[in-house]
Amino acid sequence: SQQGEEDPQALSIQEGENATMNCSYKTSINNLQWYRQNSGRGLVHLILIRSNEREKHSGRLRVTLDTSKKSSSLLITASRAADTASYFCATDAEDSSYKLIFGSGTRLLVRP
Amino acid sequence: EAQVTQNPRYLITVTGKKLTVTCSQNMNHEYMSWYRQDPGLGLRQIYYSMNVEVTDKGDVPEGYKVSRKEKRNFPLILESPSPNQTSLYFCASSLVSQNVGNQPQHFGDGTRLSIL
Repeated sequence: SQQGEEDPQALSIQEGENATMNCSYKTSINNLQWYRQNSGRGLVHLILIRSNEREKHSGRLRVTLDTSKKSSSLLITASRAADTASYFCATDAEDSSYKLIFGSGTRLLVRP
Repeated sequence: EAQVTQNPRYLITVTGKKLTVTCSQNMNHEYMSWYRQDPGLGLRQIYYSMNVEVTDKGDVPEGYKVSRKEKRNFPLILESPSPNQTSLYFCASSLVSQNVGNQPQHFGDGTRLSIL
C-alpha cells in the first residue's frame, strides 16, 4: 500500500535555484522522513519530522509538516548539481509500528 | 565504517533457479527489512525482522523467504524466481524495532536482479 505520494514526479531546475518537493499521505502519522537516492545507490536518510513539529531544518534542507492537510514539503535552497537525485518521503504504517511506507519519489535534476 | 552490505550487486539468472541475496549490517541493529523498488511504485516492503528468529511479512511477501539466525544477517531467498521478481532490491536496518517510523533507516546499495 502506498501512503506517501510525492509531487512533482520530476523537477528540473538551474543550479542556485530552490527546489520544493511535496508529499501527501492518507492516514494519521506519528513521523515522516525524507530520503535521498543517488542513481544506482541506496537511500540515505535526510531528515525526520514528528507529528508535533511543524518545521525542521538541516543545512540547506527545510522540511515542513501540515498534519491538518496530511502533507509535507522538502525545500532545498541554493541547489547544486550534486543535489541531483530522487527524493522520497516515508511515513509510519497505519497498521504496524514495524513498517515504513514509502512514496514513489520525486526525481530532481539540477542543471549546472 | 557503519554499513549495510548486500551481495551480489547484480545478478542475471533464469526462472526457477533458487537464489539468495545476502544482507549484513555491522551496527548491531535490531531491525532489518527488505524492499523492492520498481519504476513508478516506489519502495515496497517484502519482509522485516524485529530480532533474531523473529520475522514478519511486509506488503509484497509472495515468492520470497527470509531468515534471521544471527543479528547481523538477513538473507532474502527466492526459492523459484519468476520474471515478475525482476527488480531492484534493498536491505535496510535500524537500531531498535519499536516505532521504526521515528528512526532513520540505513540502506544497502541495492541488488539488481534480472530473471529471464
